Amino acid sequence: DSGVTQTPKHLITATGQRVTLRCSPRSGDLSVYWYQQSLDQGLQFLIQYYNGEERAKGNILERFSAQQFPDLHSELNLSSLELGDSALYFCASSVEYPGGPRETQYFGPGTRLLVL
Amino acid sequence: GESVGLHLPTLSVQEGDNSIINCAYSNSASDYFIWYKQESGKGPQFIIDIRSNMDKRQGQRVTVLLNKTVKHLSLQIAATQPGDSAVYFCAEGGTSYGKLTFGQGTILTVHP
Repeated sequence: DSGVTQTPKHLITATGQRVTLRCSPRSGDLSVYWYQQSLDQGLQFLIQYYNGEERAKGNILERFSAQQFPDLHSELNLSSLELGDSALYFCASSVEYPGGPRETQYFGPGTRLLVL
Repeated sequence: GESVGLHLPTLSVQEGDNSIINCAYSNSASDYFIWYKQESGKGPQFIIDIRSNMDKRQGQRVTVLLNKTVKHLSLQIAATQPGDSAVYFCAEGGTSYGKLTFGQGTILTVHP
């Protein structure tokens, strides 16, 4: 158990819908990362937050957004869902801080999203 | 339509053998490298990491080797066990905090 929790574990929805994925980082970790894992693209970085502020964006679609709340949990919002958005979505957290040394990212169990 | 998925390299070994999983990384500016193990239905699990000022690092039954000249990383698993069967990913990153860029992964199958 990495200490990172994600809910829900599974999510089935229809095209055009909107969903919210939730992540709670390890105790003490201020940095949260979101990754998408699909069959044809592998593990791709989406977005990073540090202590409530967005720090970096990767291959994140405009239909997707995220935020990190004062209690440090993070949510990834996916809207206008398409079939191709079906994937595993992982959250990772670390003790890293801006300008600080690299630290290990610990991954949660993921949310499996199926868009029908 | 037909879906196209990544065709991951595979490695099959017998229980007790040593396994070597290779990874070619892309960014010569990367100076942090990490190996993750992912079992079916689970998130990536940290195995071992190495910074670019080192060329070898050992853990429990695992060793990571880094060759910056040819941008190559390898993971050696000693006395491989059936529980080691999983997909193994290498990832690279910069000096300080930030995103990781993952390789495509290698499927390791250990036969008892």
